[in-house]
Amino acid sequence: SAVISQKPSRDICQRGTSLTIQCQVDSQVTMMFWYRQQPGQSLTLIATANQGSEATYESGFVIDKFPISRPNLTFSTLTVSNMSPEDSSIYLCSVRTSGGAYGEQFFGPGTRLTVL
Amino acid sequence: AQSVSQHNHHVILSEAASLELGCNYSYGGTVNLFWYVQYPGQHLQLLLKYFSGDPLVKGIKGFEAEFIKSKFSFNLRKPSVQWSDTAEYFCAVSPGDTGFQKLVFGTGTRLLVSP
Repeated sequence: SAVISQKPSRDICQRGTSLTIQCQVDSQVTMMFWYRQQPGQSLTLIATANQGSEATYESGFVIDKFPISRPNLTFSTLTVSNMSPEDSSIYLCSVRTSGGAYGEQFFGPGTRLTVL
Repeated sequence: AQSVSQHNHHVILSEAASLELGCNYSYGGTVNLFWYVQYPGQHLQLLLKYFSGDPLVKGIKGFEAEFIKSKFSFNLRKPSVQWSDTAEYFCAVSPGDTGFQKLVFGTGTRLLVSP
């Protein structure tokens, strides 16, 4: 398993600004992911954070809007850029550990973002 | 389009009632299957998983799920629910054609168990 922390836990932001969310894991992990959970909806994968290279984005998500960094095996950031009220969501970091079974992921507590 | 469907969005049960939450997926190839649960104020955690073998898998807290390949289903069951089972339940699929690298989630089912 893995223990995942995220900062901030919640934030209220103004339209047009950007917010960077941090994800820290207590052990080295093979893969890190970022999800979005919009109000009343399920989790949607934004991107896979790749160590030392550009993230792999899912359809509908672009680097200019959601730049991601992963400088090492335990840390990643997601930035939500030029925010609008439609970006109000819970953003979740998840990881797959080296000993973990295929597909099994562990999730952080999430960052609840409200954009005014 | 490939997807995961959970038919019940909200379920209300009394304690000791039996529970079955439906999950269907549309992927044609090999998949790994999961149920995750999110208790109020807590983060998402794994309830149970299926990779291969016995299609009836048991998870934590008395939950079990049955994989029926012909029906593309992975329904979650519990014979007798408790108030503490109040939570949101998500079915998730990891498709083999992604190398099992990704999880695709259903829309979730909110379960309320009244004491």
